[in-house]
Amino acid sequence: EAGVTQFPSHSVIEKGQTVTLRCDPISGHDNLYWYRRVMGKEIKFLLHFVKESKQDESGMPNNRFLAERTGGTYSTLKVQPAELEDSGVYFCASSLLAGARSYNEQFFGPGTRLTVL
Amino acid sequence: TQLLEQSPQFLSIQEGENLTVYCNSSSVFSSLQWYRQEPGEGPVLLVTVVTGGEVKKLKRLTFQFGDARKDSSLHITAAQPGDTGLYLCAGEPSGTYKYIFGTGTRLKVLA
Repeated sequence: EAGVTQFPSHSVIEKGQTVTLRCDPISGHDNLYWYRRVMGKEIKFLLHFVKESKQDESGMPNNRFLAERTGGTYSTLKVQPAELEDSGVYFCASSLLAGARSYNEQFFGPGTRLTVL
Repeated sequence: TQLLEQSPQFLSIQEGENLTVYCNSSSVFSSLQWYRQEPGEGPVLLVTVVTGGEVKKLKRLTFQFGDARKDSSLHITAAQPGDTGLYLCAGEPSGTYKYIFGTGTRLKVLA
């Protein structure tokens, strides 16, 4: 079974440009999460999709970030315009279940390393 | 802001030694997970604990969830070089479906 995949693995852009990150979750996983780790900090939650709906986007830093999951399959995270502080590693994770009804086993992708110059 | 403090941040030990990593918070969690991350890869789930006081074992790794579900520990017996990596705890605050990650413990086991 294929795991969570992310594209690209690395992206180097200049401040003010736009970048779109893609995440393909494990097939059949309705729950999809985006996380981010900036240099020296812990991994932080950005948002959670259940199928195509945004369940929780409380972690999105500002309106320069836009996440979509059309059709409830893959997801994209667009940063427009990118700023220096957006540099970091962006992780996507997916899970079959959500919440504390059963343990929520999230499977993480390898991440996209974004560098904004 | 909910925080999960991990200690120690860095640990370098000799092969065969035992170690314990701690994960502490003032918040109560519905569940808590431990991950291990290798360079260039995403975190890989090791274990999930959901009940206060729960103890789970995974070969030489022993995980414990605090009685009050606010803290957890990871104990490694007879560490091996293959245990080297970044260990992360992540707690699911009650009533949410997201995880708060700890600051991480970078472990290096020397042969």
